[in-house]
Amino acid sequence: DQQVKQNSPSLSVQEGRISILNCDYTNSMFDYFLWYKKYPAEGPTFLISISSIKDKNEDGRFTVFLNKSAKHLSLHIVPSQPGDSAVYFCAASVKDYGQNFVFGPGTRLSVLP
Amino acid sequence: ETGVTQTPRHLVMGMTNKKSLKCEQHLGHNAMYWYKQSAKKPLELMFVYNFKEQTENNSVPSRFSPECPNSSHLFLHLHTLQPEDSALYLCASSTRRTSSRGVVNIQYFGAGTRLSVL
Repeated sequence: DQQVKQNSPSLSVQEGRISILNCDYTNSMFDYFLWYKKYPAEGPTFLISISSIKDKNEDGRFTVFLNKSAKHLSLHIVPSQPGDSAVYFCAASVKDYGQNFVFGPGTRLSVLP
Repeated sequence: ETGVTQTPRHLVMGMTNKKSLKCEQHLGHNAMYWYKQSAKKPLELMFVYNFKEQTENNSVPSRFSPECPNSSHLFLHLHTLQPEDSALYLCASSTRRTSSRGVVNIQYFGAGTRLSVL
């Protein structure tokens, strides 16, 4: 059973609008979460992270929200750009220095011009 | 360019072959990882090495044999693989560092080796 779920395999958004990617987890011991972005033929690259002591972390156009009670996090991209088209992976670990990250299956985002 | 280089990028092998995947990182990190990504499945952690010592083995079959001669290089030796082992194999490296957000451990990934077992 997957501990980290991304229930939307794909998402299409118009350029300039908001993209919202969702992630749910089942293990209440997870307390550090990351988002990675992956372009074709490249490895995943780190995008943004959040610790369970926070409910929001912002970095430029990217904001991650964490709802611990719902075991849910989301990544907001505003405004969306065509270069944001990629597969986005949510990952979780126990402790922010943990090495055993559990990844979700990914959501493919397509930003349409 | 993430500073993590994997070779080869593509590999086709028969079930009786022996081959090796190579990973090299130029980031000065002290931890290295092997992941497997099968079609339509999440990344699965296979092995973790810290300071050349294996600290994690996620029940990986013995036909996969990792080797970490130093903190910059990681190998995955393959022998008598099965067709279901066909996947993208990703290497990553990391180091703990203190930031404004506390201690973090962000993993940097290579581009992967696409393996096909015939």
